[in-house]
Amino acid sequence: GNSVTQMEGPVTLSEEAFLTINCTYTATGYPSLFWYVQYPGEGLQLLLKATKADDKGSNKGFEATYRKETTSFHLEKGSVQVSDSAVYFCALTDNAGNMLTFGGGTRLMVKP
Amino acid sequence: GAGVSQSPSNKVTEKGKDVELRCDPISGHTALYWYRQRLGQGLEFLIYFQGNSAPDKSGLPSDRFSAERTGESVSTLTIQRTQQEDSAVYLCASSLATGLARTGELFFGEGSRLTVL
Repeated sequence: GNSVTQMEGPVTLSEEAFLTINCTYTATGYPSLFWYVQYPGEGLQLLLKATKADDKGSNKGFEATYRKETTSFHLEKGSVQVSDSAVYFCALTDNAGNMLTFGGGTRLMVKP
Repeated sequence: GAGVSQSPSNKVTEKGKDVELRCDPISGHTALYWYRQRLGQGLEFLIYFQGNSAPDKSGLPSDRFSAERTGESVSTLTIQRTQQEDSAVYLCASSLATGLARTGELFFGEGSRLTVL
């Protein structure tokens, strides 16, 4: 079955540092890939997505590139802010697109 | 409503009791999902509704778990004879019927935190 593996957190960075959160996946066919974010006290919300190989999803300064050869979708941001402190979840759809499979989540803490 | 609403936000119960968790999806969203998030773990898929039907019940952990949806709206997740390992945050999400494959956008509620003593 499908699965998603993320780097364990927490990841603690200083403001303006470079961020990478690793995500790799196992899936049959050609899944779509997503990053969701959960800010403190809020529900999960979609951050960015990529639907085919070599696509780059981007939003709010975050980027992730769909790498089929390495089955990866690593999340990056060049300069993090305190407001980026949250839990980040990597996810993929099944072939039918009926449900999302999530990774374990990675907590990011950004210190001023 | 404006977003997905879940109730109760917190529930503490004794082992062996039954609990009901409620989800009100976004109006017009025909797909509804339940996930479970145990402490320090990822989201575990439980069940998915398309309209009032549940095409995929594969994620329900045991026969103590059941869910229903009526009027293509409110859904209830019921856990009978609760056990301590049922302690988790139960998340509900909704999406447009054909939206997920294209956009991947599920709209999540804030969850119901269940603690079984």
